[in-house]
Amino acid sequence: EPEVTQTPSHQVTQMGQEVILRCVPISNHLYFYWYRQILGQKVEFLVSFYNNEISEKSEIFDDQFSVERPDGSNFTLKIRSTKLEDSAMYFCASSGLQGATDTQYFGPGTRLTVL
Amino acid sequence: GEDVEQSLFLSVREGDSSVINCTYTDSSSTYLYWYKQEPGAGLQLLTYIFSNMDMKQDQRLTVLLNKKDKHLSLRIADTQTGDSAIYFCAETEEYGNKLVFGAGTILRVKS
Repeated sequence: EPEVTQTPSHQVTQMGQEVILRCVPISNHLYFYWYRQILGQKVEFLVSFYNNEISEKSEIFDDQFSVERPDGSNFTLKIRSTKLEDSAMYFCASSGLQGATDTQYFGPGTRLTVL
Repeated sequence: GEDVEQSLFLSVREGDSSVINCTYTDSSSTYLYWYKQEPGAGLQLLTYIFSNMDMKQDQRLTVLLNKKDKHLSLRIADTQTGDSAIYFCAETEEYGNKLVFGAGTILRVKS
């Protein structure tokens, strides 16, 4: 069964460093998303991406964040200068053709630890 | 803004039914979902329901929607130890839009 994959599973970085989190969405999907879950808190929406551009973003998704689909398979989240409060689990999701039965499928997540 | 609330914890005995409840505030919610998260794993889609439905059954899972009260529930029949996980309720207004999640309900199944 097709699935969303994410790498790395765990990333440790120093405050102020740039990180890139990678995702491979399900191959025929058209909508891509990033969410994050700070330990003990709700899963929060960051950004959605469709047709090679951001379709929606939350207040969390400030200028430090960017997303890219550099080729036909990868979808990346870049944090330019990490802060301690960026420590969280980051989930990528994708969904397919518009239709009643399509839903967002999530990857296993990348745990980001900022020291 | 949108908000989704869930009870934090539920403990049941193996073989009993579990009922996990969720309330939401957005009357524009069109799609409502239940996701399961096992320790150290991602979010696994369990089931979903559209706002024009009252009930959906899928094997051991039954979803009930009371749109007037904005109340959603997930019933797991014959709960097994493998059902122990965190269950998240989520809603969205339109397909392709962001999901708004509840805080999750920890389900503990005692053998």
